Amino acid sequence: DAKTTQPPSMDCAEGRAANLPCNHSTISGNEYVYWYRQIHSQGPQYIIHGLKNNETNEMASLIITEDRKSSTLILPHATLRDTAVYYCIVRDGLYGKLTFGQGTILTVHP
Amino acid sequence: GAVVSQHPSWVICKSGTSVKIECRSLDFQATTMFWYRQFPKQSLMLMATSNEGSKATYEQGVEKDKFLINHASLTLSTLTVTSAHPEDSSFYICSAIGRSTGELFFGEGSRLTVL
Repeated sequence: DAKTTQPPSMDCAEGRAANLPCNHSTISGNEYVYWYRQIHSQGPQYIIHGLKNNETNEMASLIITEDRKSSTLILPHATLRDTAVYYCIVRDGLYGKLTFGQGTILTVHP
Repeated sequence: GAVVSQHPSWVICKSGTSVKIECRSLDFQATTMFWYRQFPKQSLMLMATSNEGSKATYEQGVEKDKFLINHASLTLSTLTVTSAHPEDSSFYICSAIGRSTGELFFGEGSRLTVL
């Protein structure tokens, strides 16, 4: 599976958009980009995934560059409850395993 | 929505004993389940892939005789930590792939403390 690189930590003000970057320069054609988050001592929570096109759901938007070598997760209006570790993962197809990197610790402050 | 449930949520045991953790998919069939381990302030580390009716596939460095995985049905996989030692204390998390959709759902995790 392709490896991902994320900044170790980011801060965001409450109510502002949080933009979390991810590099996956070795991604291959059938690999999807998934985003999960983990709040302390809980199981990871699914956020969004995409292959080529940008995606949006009730939680977030996912912007994937045209060459698919990087992506950005956007939380449009961050709240204090969005403070968590965010993982960007490249997955081989829709049935492959998920290999977690170190993730980004997002801290949303008042 | 689909839910993956783990039991127990937390367990404390004495060194040398064995502990079993269950992972159930509550409203969907899961042909594949994954087991992860997470130490404090670290990321999730994949331990093994469990397929219904067949032997689990372990990641490099994970002892298959110490971490016994059984996936006897489409809704249940179990992880048994045999002869547990304090260094096995960790947060164990399972996930399951929905048979029809490929969606991956995670359990709430099980915290094991070995005294």
